[in-house]
Order: sequence, then C-alpha cells, then structure tokens
Amino acid sequence: QKEVEQNSGPLSVPEGAIASLNCTYSDRGSQSFFWYRQYSGKSPELIMFIYSNGDKEDGRFTAQLNKASQYVSLLIRDSQPSDSATYLCAVGSQGNLIFGKGTKLSVKP
Amino acid sequence: GAGVSQSPSNKVTEKGKDVELRCDPISGHTALYWYRQSLGQGLEFLIYFQGNSAPDKSGLPSDRFSAERTGGSVSTLTIQRTQQEDSAVYLCASSLEFSPGTQYFGPGTRLTVL
Repeated sequence: QKEVEQNSGPLSVPEGAIASLNCTYSDRGSQSFFWYRQYSGKSPELIMFIYSNGDKEDGRFTAQLNKASQYVSLLIRDSQPSDSATYLCAVGSQGNLIFGKGTKLSVKP
Repeated sequence: GAGVSQSPSNKVTEKGKDVELRCDPISGHTALYWYRQSLGQGLEFLIYFQGNSAPDKSGLPSDRFSAERTGGSVSTLTIQRTQQEDSAVYLCASSLEFSPGTQYFGPGTRLTVL
C-alpha cells in the first residue's frame, strides 16, 4: 500500500515567519512530487511541483526533495494570513497521484 | 468556461436513492479523476480515466459506485442505493496525459444523503 503521510496540524505561525510543511512517502520508486493548496470550502489548486533532489524556489515558496529519505517539504517565507489553508502533498504513481491528508496552516496577524 | 465544471453543485437525496454526478473536463485533457472528500478529511481517490485505456477503478469503495466517460470527455459518477456514509464532496479533476500531477479540479458536488 503506497502511502503519503503528513502531520494534520494545525500548524500556527505568526505573520512574517517561515512556515515549514513536511511530507513522507512510502514508494521509493516515486519520481514526481506536488504541493496543492486548498482553502476552506474550495477545491485544491497546484502550487508547486518538484522532480529532482534539492530545492526549487518559486516566489515565497520553496519545495525541498530528499529521495534518499523519502521526504518532501514546502517552505513558505514571509507567511501571510492569506496563506492560511490546508496544504496537500501528492506523489506521482503510475499516471495518478496519491494525496496525503493535508496539513492545516494558520497564519496569525 | 475554460475550467473543469461539475453539476449539480449540491445534491440532497434520500437514503436508498440513486444519484448521478457529472464532470466536464478541460478541453483537450485526456485524463479525468474522481475523488471524494469527507468533512475535514483528505482526498480519497475513486477512479481514473486515461484516454481509451481501461479505467483504474481501484479506489471505488463498493459496487454501488460506478463511473463512465463518454467520448473521452464528459464523465458521470453514479452511486446506487445511497447510504448516509456516502455524504461528502465529490471532486473531479482533469489533466493532460503526460502531466498527471498537474490536475485541475472542478468546484465539486456536495452530496448529502438523508
């Protein structure tokens, strides 16, 4: 059974701080990794993807991948209240995605 | 519209009735996915269509659930003899064949079984 694990949170950070969201996966053969953001009552939307070990930066967001440790993370710098949402980690598997249950992030003004 | 559309947006039904949920993917997207999300829970994969290949039905929770995709476009998810535990938001997503990770989600159908 391929699994994607995330801490459900809530993770609470003050405005302007760095939020760190973590994800582990069980399938060592996985090659593609994604972060989706889901606001309350809304549908998920893709915000980042990463395929190679290391860091990938896009604005205030940085995705980090360590395949040896089977670990993916998402860093959000200068967190804003508008970043408050549930962040879903997803791992590519045979043409589909396996989603984690998500981490709820709350950014306090 | 350019996005994924779903109908109805809300459906209230009585236990034991059948329901049909519809998904219209983004034009040109060959892959279509159905998920279920219960209140406060993660996404539960139900079924996946890719082009003309046989669908991956491994996530369907029981034989009361079925889905079809006509003409490689519109999909219908059918739940027969609904139960209260079927109450959830049913989300549809579509993607290009070679970008399965870049899924675009519809607004969902909120199903309530009384």
